[in-house]
Amino acid sequence: QKEVEQDPGPLSVPEGAIVSLNCTYSNSAFQYFMWYRQYSRKGPELLMYTYSSGNKEDGRFTAQVDKSSKYISLFIRDSQPSDSATYLCAMSEGTGGFKTIFGAGTRLFVKA
Amino acid sequence: EAGVVQSPRYKIIEKKQPVAFWCNPISGHNTLYWYRQNLGQGPELLIRYENEEAVDDSQLPKDRFSAERLKGVDSTLKIQPAELGDSAVYLCASNSAGANYEQYFGPGTRLTVT
Repeated sequence: QKEVEQDPGPLSVPEGAIVSLNCTYSNSAFQYFMWYRQYSRKGPELLMYTYSSGNKEDGRFTAQVDKSSKYISLFIRDSQPSDSATYLCAMSEGTGGFKTIFGAGTRLFVKA
Repeated sequence: EAGVVQSPRYKIIEKKQPVAFWCNPISGHNTLYWYRQNLGQGPELLIRYENEEAVDDSQLPKDRFSAERLKGVDSTLKIQPAELGDSAVYLCASNSAGANYEQYFGPGTRLTVT
């Protein structure tokens, strides 16, 4: 079993829809939870990170962490065609020398 | 501010040939990573540097892979000899001291071994 599981999709939604992207994990020691966006033939770009449990909002993006269920989510409101990309979740036990473990990514297509 | 720079962007080589990738991290970032990303997968760590010291190279296949970061700034990753299974995207990332939750990635080098 992988430490971080992520549905590869693809997920196809109409423009303006609310998108929900999710990851599950098995390591209860994870404390930092990150979401990266990766466009085709580009490197991953950090969208946001969350420490421990709770929600964090940044514009149209909201990240949620439920440590009791070992489940994290990224919500995208009012999705746009420019949001079409692969979304990677990533997790770490702490800062500094702790390794970051990435999910396999979910491919999202937003249709105009 | 310039981002993480990598070169070349694409490389096609025959198996058993050597290949090298270069990375220049964001200015001031002490921590530098090399990741490998296979198709449909997330990045997997090969090696992490703190300044010029390789502090985590446990996932680096040392029989054929080597890396250096001589002056604690730019870095080179080498494969010799390359195998068919080495075809992947090689990503370089960096972050400021301790901020591993905020890594900045370069565009990657797409390696094809034929």
